[in-house]
Amino acid sequence: DAMVIQNPRYQVTQFGKPVTLSCSQTLNHNVMYWYQQKSSQAPKLLFHYYDKDFNNEADTPDNFQSRRPNTSFCFLDIRSPGLGDAAMYLCATSRDIVNTEAFFGQGTRLTVV
Amino acid sequence: AQSVTQLGSHVSVSEGALVLLRCNYSSSVPPYLFWYVQYPNQGLQLLLKYTSAATLVKGINGFEAEFKKSETSFHLTKPSAHMSDAAEYFCAVVMNTGFQKLVFGTGTRLLVSP
Repeated sequence: DAMVIQNPRYQVTQFGKPVTLSCSQTLNHNVMYWYQQKSSQAPKLLFHYYDKDFNNEADTPDNFQSRRPNTSFCFLDIRSPGLGDAAMYLCATSRDIVNTEAFFGQGTRLTVV
Repeated sequence: AQSVTQLGSHVSVSEGALVLLRCNYSSSVPPYLFWYVQYPNQGLQLLLKYTSAATLVKGINGFEAEFKKSETSFHLTKPSAHMSDAAEYFCAVVMNTGFQKLVFGTGTRLLVSP
């Protein structure tokens, strides 16, 4: 019954080695979000897609990119992970941009070594 | 700009005691407000939401919250804590910037002792 699925749940990557996190949804929602959550902090929005339209937050580093090849899937690419990028990455969806009841996935915990 | 403040990064209660988690918002217009719960190494789950209908909102797992405009508050309560309620709780407000962006508070960790 999982509606927003993130893979993998845990990811270990090397400093500077590109890494991709994936998210899929069975809700057919128009909007998909990526949040970064560092230890003991609130989730911080990195960017979102409304359908195929990509919207980057002003303070999201260029190191973070995203792809949404179709409605169901969205990827987070970190081009050159630094130690400061270690965090929980949360994917979420909502039906529309004005309906902000967001449904979250289980998250991917990224460790950079 | 809209924001939320959660008072108390940690709240400790005994099992069976009242749970009260505080959230105050700042908004120039009536906001949409949400409470989310996060268990360790999990995503966020919506507990309840206020969208300008009834001011007393009932959510899952016995939680409820009351929107008080005069106090700009949206505190979360549960009459009797259970061990399984131990988690991180986030209050969030919709930020009306063209697209309605969720802005989270810093979270309150609820500890429940036997």
